Amino acid sequence: GEDVEQSLFLSVREGDSSVINCTYTDSSSTYLYWYKQEPGAGLQLLTYIFSNMDMKQDQRLTVLLNKKDKHLSLRIADTQTGDSAIYFCAGGGGATNKLIFGTGTLLAVQP
Amino acid sequence: DGGITQSPKYLFRKEGQNVTLSCEQNLNHDAMYWYRQDPGQGLRLIYYSQIVNDFQKGDIAEGYSVSREKKESFPLTVTSAQKNPTAFYLCASRGGTGDTYEQYFGPGTRLTVT
Repeated sequence: GEDVEQSLFLSVREGDSSVINCTYTDSSSTYLYWYKQEPGAGLQLLTYIFSNMDMKQDQRLTVLLNKKDKHLSLRIADTQTGDSAIYFCAGGGGATNKLIFGTGTLLAVQP
Repeated sequence: DGGITQSPKYLFRKEGQNVTLSCEQNLNHDAMYWYRQDPGQGLRLIYYSQIVNDFQKGDIAEGYSVSREKKESFPLTVTSAQKNPTAFYLCASRGGTGDTYEQYFGPGTRLTVT
């Protein structure tokens, strides 16, 4: 089955850029997603990218997809303390829409 | 105000008791999902339902049961057969239009069994 991996922790200073990385094994995912989870809360969809795209930009967020290397990244520009959260990448698609989630990356933003 | 609600936010039970977690959505979504989240792990799929009166097992269905009698509701029962029930449980739904497949999540229920 699909496996999605992420690094567990990232620490950045406020105002810097953050880059969260994700690798996946199943290249049949139609879409790849980034979710944000604040402490004790559910997951909030941040953005997604269609599998035939290389890049998608949405305000401070930039998603890069390298299909050859099966690598997905999320760049957050001008990171703020409010960006501190766990970030999950997920792949999925198809009739059942069973999303496979990575283990999550805890982003800590230092003031 | 459309969304997904889960209740209660915190739930405490004694070992050996069954407990039912509520999930309701007013988004008119066909598909609904239950996930379990443990510290340091990603979300694991317990059960999902693509339409009323139908549901399928996910990756970790043992010790859980669900029903889907109404489109809006997808309750999850954690039975006494579930060996490690203490976890954070998340419900999600997905709409029937469009093809982006994104799922929308409720706020979660934290279950503690002692």
